[in-house]
Amino acid sequence: EPEVTQTPSHQVTQMGQEVILRCVPISNHLYFYWYRQILGQKVEFLVSFYNNEISEKSEIFDDQFSVERPDGSNFTLKIRSTKLEDSAMYFCASSTGTGYQETQYFGPGTRLLVL
Amino acid sequence: AQKVTQAQTEISVVEKEDVTLDCVYETRDTTYYLFWYKQPPSGELVFLIRRNSFDEQNEISGRYSWNFQKSTSSFNFTITASQVVDSAVYFCALRIGGSARQLTFGSGTQLTVLP
Repeated sequence: EPEVTQTPSHQVTQMGQEVILRCVPISNHLYFYWYRQILGQKVEFLVSFYNNEISEKSEIFDDQFSVERPDGSNFTLKIRSTKLEDSAMYFCASSTGTGYQETQYFGPGTRLLVL
Repeated sequence: AQKVTQAQTEISVVEKEDVTLDCVYETRDTTYYLFWYKQPPSGELVFLIRRNSFDEQNEISGRYSWNFQKSTSSFNFTITASQVVDSAVYFCALRIGGSARQLTFGSGTQLTVLP
């Protein structure tokens, strides 16, 4: 069964460094998402992406964040200058975009630790 | 704004007991979608079920069943004859209709099934 994949599974970085998290959505899906989960807390929406542009974003998704689909398969989340509070699990998800039958399927996550 | 409340932070049961996880949602939209996801200790988010606001039919899938009641804005999840492998955090989530696709998650219920 097709699944969303994410790399790396874990990333440790120093405060102020740039990180890029990568995702390969399910191949026939049209909508892509990033969510984050700070340890022990709820899952929070960051951004959705469709037709090569951002369709929705949350207040969390400020100028430090950007997303890109650099080729036909990858979907990336870039954090320009990481802060301690960016430490979290980051989930990528994708969906078909078909409306009421639509379900978001999540990848296994990237655990980001900012020191 | 949408809101999902999972009042039960942690539940502990003994194997073979039945357990119900509560989910109460708030939205002003008449069209919306409700979801349950499972997060096992390995950390990934596993889709369990989607329910559309116009379909109040309850659903059973093996040991899992879901009770959707619009009158009380609840979408509860019951596991019958629980097993140790059911131990996980369970999240209820809400998406409104239309072009918006972001999921609003509840804070999750940690279910521990003891042998």
